[in-house]
Amino acid sequence: QSALTQPASVSGSPGQSITISCTGTSSDVGSYSFVSWYQQHPHKAPKLIIYEVSKRPTGISNRFSGSKSGNTASLTISGLQAEDEADYHCCSYAGGSTYVFGIGTRVTVL
Amino acid sequence: EVQLVESGGGLVQPGGSLRLSCVASGFTFSSYWMNWVRQAPGRGLEWVASIKRDGSEKYYVDSVKGRFTISRDNSKNSLFLQMSSLGAEDTAVYYCARDRAPTTCYEWDCWGQGTLVTVSS
Repeated sequence: QSALTQPASVSGSPGQSITISCTGTSSDVGSYSFVSWYQQHPHKAPKLIIYEVSKRPTGISNRFSGSKSGNTASLTISGLQAEDEADYHCCSYAGGSTYVFGIGTRVTVL
Repeated sequence: EVQLVESGGGLVQPGGSLRLSCVASGFTFSSYWMNWVRQAPGRGLEWVASIKRDGSEKYYVDSVKGRFTISRDNSKNSLFLQMSSLGAEDTAVYYCARDRAPTTCYEWDCWGQGTLVTVSS
């Protein structure tokens, strides 16, 4: 299983919107609506922010939204805030009770 | 409060073995699939292994098959990862993670703080 492709870094100014892409294959992202996104601040454990492509867990801001088209999933952060500066990891179910993560994207708030 | 606490990490020589533990509290441990996810220094996350509620099914990433064994003791609310034939590529922070729901799901909503495994001579 190869890691999903994410941009290494994305940046934006406070209040702007940014989108992080997550590209897989027809064996993972393209085959299942089980894409999740995790936010990870430095030296902290990951935090689930999106699951099943576009669902938000209780307590997660609606500034975070997810979508998918074909083999590519996307995470959009609207109204960017300083606290959003973190690493973001996508993850897809890959069949056979296995999973594949992306390489991670560093979001910088300018 | 739902909590996962890992332990057992440390420095181990190449070819050596190590057993990681994760103690759960604040939820009915036996109702959830449990997982190990690792993160090499400066790298992304990597799913390592998953185990069914009763331990009857276990799944692994290809790179650890035959070397790592995931297990659990529901009477002690504990998850384990027995690692052997360790190599430098196994150096990482290892996280214990719980499935989001006791029903079938494909994501993890509760994570431990991680335990660092360093494979080096």
